[in-house]
Amino acid sequence: ILNVEQSPQSLHVQEGDSTNFTCSFPSSNFYALHWYRWETAKSPEALFVMTLNGDEKKKGRISATLNTKEGYSYLYIKGSQPEDSATYLCAFILNAGKSTFGDGTTLTVKP
Amino acid sequence: DVKVTQSSRYLVKRTGEKVFLECVQDMDHENMFWYRQDPGLGLRLIYFSYDVKMKEKGDIPEGYSVSREKKERFSLILESASTNQTSMYLCASSYYYRGKGESTRYEQYFGPGTRLTVT
Repeated sequence: ILNVEQSPQSLHVQEGDSTNFTCSFPSSNFYALHWYRWETAKSPEALFVMTLNGDEKKKGRISATLNTKEGYSYLYIKGSQPEDSATYLCAFILNAGKSTFGDGTTLTVKP
Repeated sequence: DVKVTQSSRYLVKRTGEKVFLECVQDMDHENMFWYRQDPGLGLRLIYFSYDVKMKEKGDIPEGYSVSREKKERFSLILESASTNQTSMYLCASSYYYRGKGESTRYEQYFGPGTRLTVT
């Protein structure tokens, strides 16, 4: 079983704070990395699909970077809002089928 | 919009029963997946399928089997349910397209989940 680690496990911030969390994964046999947002009582939804070393992706106030050589990806949220509260999952894709998820970072944004 | 549906949101079964969890996707996706989610353990892959009648074990296949007779449908089977299989089960699907000599990687689309309780 591959080890995909996310840190921190949970995070509490005030509205307006910027925050970031980490996903680390095996640096060999890299295929792709996915970030998902999982809100309570909903299904996980894809945020980013990252495939190339040095990739930077952005969607509104959320952005992500990828370093495949050292095996990590960062997710940044600028000016957190209460609606950003969710669990953020990363998934390491070993091949076109098999994926290994981290345990997630649970973000709570207080108004 | 991609739609992944699961047959039940909540299910209660007794120990030893045979349990079928059904998943259907409407986007002609090649790949389909079954995960379970437990507190503190994240999403763990049970089985996945990249084509009709094809299946591969994930990280925790013990106690489960799967069936994919049609492209849109992927079933998870618990042959003899046990209490340690009480969990949230999530189905997902994705495209898998190999073009220009390089695979293209697509995100997964998840169903709403089935919360299974085995008593």
